[in-house]
Amino acid sequence: DAKTTQPPSMDCAEGRAANLPCNHSTISGNEYVYWYRQIHSQGPQYIIHGLKNNETNEMASLIITEDRKSSTLILPHATLRDTAVYYCIVTGSGGSNYKLTFGKGTLLTVNP
Amino acid sequence: NAGVMQNPRHLVRRRGQEARLRCSPMKGHSHVYWYRQLPEEGLKFMVYLQKENIIDESGMPKERFSAEFPKEGPSILRIQQVVRGDSAAYFCASSQGSVYEQYFGPGTRLTVT
Repeated sequence: DAKTTQPPSMDCAEGRAANLPCNHSTISGNEYVYWYRQIHSQGPQYIIHGLKNNETNEMASLIITEDRKSSTLILPHATLRDTAVYYCIVTGSGGSNYKLTFGKGTLLTVNP
Repeated sequence: NAGVMQNPRHLVRRRGQEARLRCSPMKGHSHVYWYRQLPEEGLKFMVYLQKENIIDESGMPKERFSAEFPKEGPSILRIQQVVRGDSAAYFCASSQGSVYEQYFGPGTRLTVT
């Protein structure tokens, strides 16, 4: 599985965009990039995923570089409730793409 | 549309007892996954089940742990003869298929005394 690297923590002002980076330089052609978040003590929450193209849904946008070696999750208007640990996950290849590997993630703190 | 349900939310067991954790997937989902989160650590994959079948149990400890997903009823994660090191949060997730995003339940926090 491709390894991901994320900053351990980030701060963001309420109402501003939060941009969370993720490096996955060893990603292979058939591996997806998934983003989940975990608000303290709750179960992880699916946010978005993508393969090559940029993706957007009601929660966030995902920007994947052309070489696919890095990506950025964008929360357009962060609120206090977006304070959580955000995990960037590259799915396994060879048929085990269901096996999510959660690293340490990025603790995003949204400040009033 | 109810999400993934897990019960109990908190479970306290003494060393040597059995723990049974239940997971009801989202409506329409037939794929269930169990993950364990030890204190101060990330979630670790344990097992992947479909109805009546274990697809991948590569993350399950070899002894004392078992999982099932019967034709009727919830998925069960069973831990026999619990030890203090089993204290953790156990999360269940479900999906429409193995290539789809997984939706997680609120977790069961197991404390072994």
